[in-house]
Formats: sequence, structure tokens, C-alpha cells
Amino acid sequence: DTGVSQDPRHKITKRGQNVTFRCDPISEHNRLYWYRQTLGQGPEFLTYFQNEAQLEKSRLLSDRFSAERPKGSFSTLEIQRTEQGDSAMYLCASSGYGEDRGLTGANVLTFGAGSRLTVL
Amino acid sequence: KNEVEQSPQNLTAQEGEFITINCSYSVGISALHWLQQHPGGGIVSLFMLSSGKKKHGRLIATINIQEKHSSLHITASHPRDSAVYICAVLAKGAQKLVFGQGTRLTINP
Repeated sequence: DTGVSQDPRHKITKRGQNVTFRCDPISEHNRLYWYRQTLGQGPEFLTYFQNEAQLEKSRLLSDRFSAERPKGSFSTLEIQRTEQGDSAMYLCASSGYGEDRGLTGANVLTFGAGSRLTVL
Repeated sequence: KNEVEQSPQNLTAQEGEFITINCSYSVGISALHWLQQHPGGGIVSLFMLSSGKKKHGRLIATINIQEKHSSLHITASHPRDSAVYICAVLAKGAQKLVFGQGTRLTINP
């Protein structure tokens, strides 16, 4: 296992089209996060899974965004009817349950390289 | 006001200089992460801290829980250290990281 994989690395689409990104986390990690990053900004939380359960979704996320993690392994993030404002880098990260190094609830995150979305 | 504030936002220095990047946060945390992102690159975890100090090579990270403050230091800085350094905190009870805006570091040869 070489880390967190994201696909595609870059997607260019026309406004109004649907896009889907995939994230394959580190196999023994049960937590998976999606973040969005725009140029010059820090990552912005989108949603979080523990196993297959989506435990939290950002209030900033519109109904056009949906994420799944059907078997508690890989995850998909779908954006419907894309808008130019959706253009960003979509980052996936995974962390391992119990890897707390003595710290309650703390885990080391491993990030994927990201999927860059450009909406024309 | 953001829950996590970093300073400076931009920092330019000459090769060899000692670098300090600061992070202040306003919530109780269970851990703080320092992350590095090279231009066009992915995010790499440098340190995870809950107290005290950690050192890895030329990088040193400290945290003061009472003052809600952490610093990242780079000794003998090198142009390859040029990157965005991001502070992120894991709030107590929460399971998501809250990120600072990042500090863009440029080291000139």
C-alpha cells in the first residue's frame, strides 16, 4: 500500500456537467476525509466517514455534492451540475482508528495528491 | 476570526537563516498538526503534537497548550524548504481538522 490514491488527478469539465472523484485510502485506515482547497487558501472541510458511515458534512456543501463510501474502503465524491465556483483541488485523507499515540481521538492523517477540478 | 491563525502569511529569507512560523488557535484541542505543501504538490504531514516539542532533522515543532500556541522552526534553511506550511488542529471531541490559512515560505539561495 503506497498511500492514499486519488483519481483523476485533473478533470476539466463544462459548467452543468457532473463529475466524480475517487479516493482509495490506506487499507487499514477506517477514517476518510474530503477537503477542498482553492488557490492561496488552506484546505476546507467537506465531509468525513468512519468506515461506511458519513458522520459529518460541512454546512458549506450544497445539495449538488454527495459522497459515499459504500464498503468502508474507497470513497467517491460526486458534484452534480458543476459551477465555475466548484473549481478547486479536492483532497482526500485517511487516518487509522486507534493510532492515537496516547492521545484521545488524535490520528496522523495521510493525504492524497488531490484531484484538480476546472469548470469552464 | 478564524479558529486557527498563522503568522506570517508570507515569509522570504536567505538560505541558512533560522525560520519561525507561528500558529495560534482558539479552541481546546487534542492534537495539532504541522503540514507541508510544495507548489503543485500534495500535503505531507510533518508533525503531530499534543505537548512539548518534537524534532525531525532541521525541523522543530513546539506547542504551549496553556497559551494555545505552536511554532514551527527550520534551522539552516535551504531553498528546498520553500513551500506552504499549514497548521491544523483537531478540536477536542471532534474528528475533523481545522486548518490555518498557511504560511508561504520562500528561501532564496
